Amino acid sequence: DAKTTQPNSMESNEEEPVHLPCNHSTISGTDYIHWYRQLPSQGPEYVIHGLTSNVNNRMASLAIAEDRKSSTLILHRATLRDAAVYYCILGYSGAGSYQLTFGKGTKLSVIP
Amino acid sequence: NAGVTQTPKFQVLKTGQSMTLQCAQDMNHEYMSWYRQDPGMGLRLIHYSVGAGITDQGEVPNGYNVSRSTTEDFPLRLLSAAPSQTSVYFCASSYSISGVDTQYFGPGTRLTVL
Repeated sequence: DAKTTQPNSMESNEEEPVHLPCNHSTISGTDYIHWYRQLPSQGPEYVIHGLTSNVNNRMASLAIAEDRKSSTLILHRATLRDAAVYYCILGYSGAGSYQLTFGKGTKLSVIP
Repeated sequence: NAGVTQTPKFQVLKTGQSMTLQCAQDMNHEYMSWYRQDPGMGLRLIHYSVGAGITDQGEVPNGYNVSRSTTEDFPLRLLSAAPSQTSVYFCASSYSISGVDTQYFGPGTRLTVL
C-alpha cells in the first residue's frame, strides 16, 4: 500500500498562510491525493483532493509536485477554527476495496 | 440531508457484553465503512461494504461483525467486548469505491469497555 509521511505537528500564527507538506514517494499513477482534517472530538471531514494538477476550493489549495511524490496543502489565512489534525491520504482508484489509510497526520496549532 | 448519523454517542460496557453500534446515511451511498481511532492514533479500518449484502474485512476485523441489509444502514456488532476495544468508532460513507470519491464521516461513538 502506498503510504504518506507528514510532520507530527506545526504551528501557525492566526491570519497567516500555512503550508502543510506531505511526502508520498510510492504513489501510483492512478492514486488520488486526498486531504482530510479532524477537529477536536469530531469525525474527519474532507478538505480537498487532486490527481496531477493544483486544485483550489473555498477551504484550501492543493499543490502537487510534478513527479507527484509530494504535495502541499495551503491554508491561505489560518483561523483559530483551522486548528485540527490534517491527514494526507492516497485514494486508490482501482476496483476492489476502497480504503483510506490514515496515518497520524499533522496536528496544526493556530496561535492568536 | 442528515448525512452520516451514529448512535449512541457514548457507551460504557463491561467485559464480555455485546452491543451494536448503529450507522445510517441518507445520501444513497453504496460504500460504507467502520473505523476505530485509538488515542493519538490515526483511523484503522475495521469492516467495509460496497453495497447491500456485500461486506468485507479491513485491517482490524477481529471481535467485530457487520451486515448490510439495506443501502442506508451498516451496524457494527461487538460480540464479546474486551478492554482492548475501548476506542472511538467512526462510520463513513461514499458514493462509490472509486479513489476519487469523498468519504463522509459520522460524529463518532466513544466506547469504554471496563
